[in-house]
Amino acid sequence: DTEVTQTPKHLVMGMTNKKSLKCEQHMGHRAMYWYKQKAKKPPELMFVYSYEKLSINESVPSRFSPECPNSSLLNLHLHALQPEDSALYLCASSQGRLYSTGELFFGEGSRLTVL
Amino acid sequence: GQQLNQSPQSMFIQEGEDVSMNCTSSSIFNTWLWYKQDPGEGPVLLIALYKAGELTSNGRLTAQFGITRKDSFLNISASIPSDVGIYFCAGPRGYGQNFVFGPGTRLSVLP
Repeated sequence: DTEVTQTPKHLVMGMTNKKSLKCEQHMGHRAMYWYKQKAKKPPELMFVYSYEKLSINESVPSRFSPECPNSSLLNLHLHALQPEDSALYLCASSQGRLYSTGELFFGEGSRLTVL
Repeated sequence: GQQLNQSPQSMFIQEGEDVSMNCTSSSIFNTWLWYKQDPGEGPVLLIALYKAGELTSNGRLTAQFGITRKDSFLNISASIPSDVGIYFCAGPRGYGQNFVFGPGTRLSVLP
């Protein structure tokens, strides 16, 4: 069982909708990540929060808005998405040491479909 | 930037056979990670390697950190049906938390 929990597992939204993806971990990790994965492709990094501060934004369009309310929670707010944004969105966490060892723990993902 | 390549892209093997796959980089990596992803799931860490030349096992899986620090290998012995999935190598860009993933090797195990 994964210790990173993502909700919802599936989401269908229209291009004018506003929705949010949620992620929670209780491993005491201080770094949390959002990855986007298209079919038959590897995960691609979107955002990294380290100690609740945004440390990496991989030039993600502003229609994706991350939020880290506390060290256990990570949200991804979605607004005015395009059909090409349909993908599996993966949340991950790691211990968050400055020189991270890369042991990312992933959730099961939220599969997003934009109509 | 740092890019990872994996080979083979896909493989079909008979149950019981051994499997070898590799990952190469255009630049040096200080850490190599191997993940497995099942359909509809997130990637799960299999093995982490931190030192050039390091050989690490996890059950039927063995991975090696190449001495040039530009490659890594993953071997699976005596494959079973639940080994089916996509195997990704990954590593950090620089010393930060920006992890890049290889394109993956898709493994199919035939009974």
